Amino acid sequence: DAGVIQSPRHEVTEMGQEVTLRCKPISGHNSLFWYRQTMMRGLELLIYFNNNVPIDDSGMPEDRFSAKMPNASFSTLKIQPSEPRDSAVYFCASSLRASSTDTQYFGPGTRLTVL
Amino acid sequence: SQQGEEDPQALSIQEGENATMNCSYKTSINNLQWYRQNSGRGLVHLILIRSNEREKHSGRLRVTLDTSKKSSSLLITASRAADTASYFCATENNQGGKLIFGQGTELSVKP
Repeated sequence: DAGVIQSPRHEVTEMGQEVTLRCKPISGHNSLFWYRQTMMRGLELLIYFNNNVPIDDSGMPEDRFSAKMPNASFSTLKIQPSEPRDSAVYFCASSLRASSTDTQYFGPGTRLTVL
Repeated sequence: SQQGEEDPQALSIQEGENATMNCSYKTSINNLQWYRQNSGRGLVHLILIRSNEREKHSGRLRVTLDTSKKSSSLLITASRAADTASYFCATENNQGGKLIFGQGTELSVKP
């Protein structure tokens, strides 16, 4: 299995531009999580899906952030418009179920820099 | 607020020594997980300990859980330079389903 796949690995963009991050979870996993990691705030859960349905988006910072999961093998996290404070590493993770007993498998992350 | 908080924030030891990292949490839990993150990489699951367990081993890893003190510790024995990484504890929130990660302990093992 290739594991969780994220693209791009690095993204540099200018303030105001739209950014789309992509994630392919592990085949057969029913839950998908989007995290953001910064030095100041650590690892924060932004949103998670169960069977392609958003369950909890309370961690999404503001309306500029949106996430979709059109099917079981693909999810996007979009930031529009982007701001310098959005600079962070964004991780996607998947697990068999959205259960605290299930291991989450993390992708390699997308390092986003907003100038 | 953070559910899990690790200490120390950073730990530097010599190869061969043991490394102990601690995690404290605030609310009741059903289980606690430890993850590792190498620089520039995603997190990797190490071990899960359930609330009815007091100690668990996996290779050179030993995890303890004290639910009365709401704390856990991760011990890495006979450390190696390759153990250099950040280590995070993660607990569920009280609604279940999602994990809350601590800020992590940055471990440096010098050869």
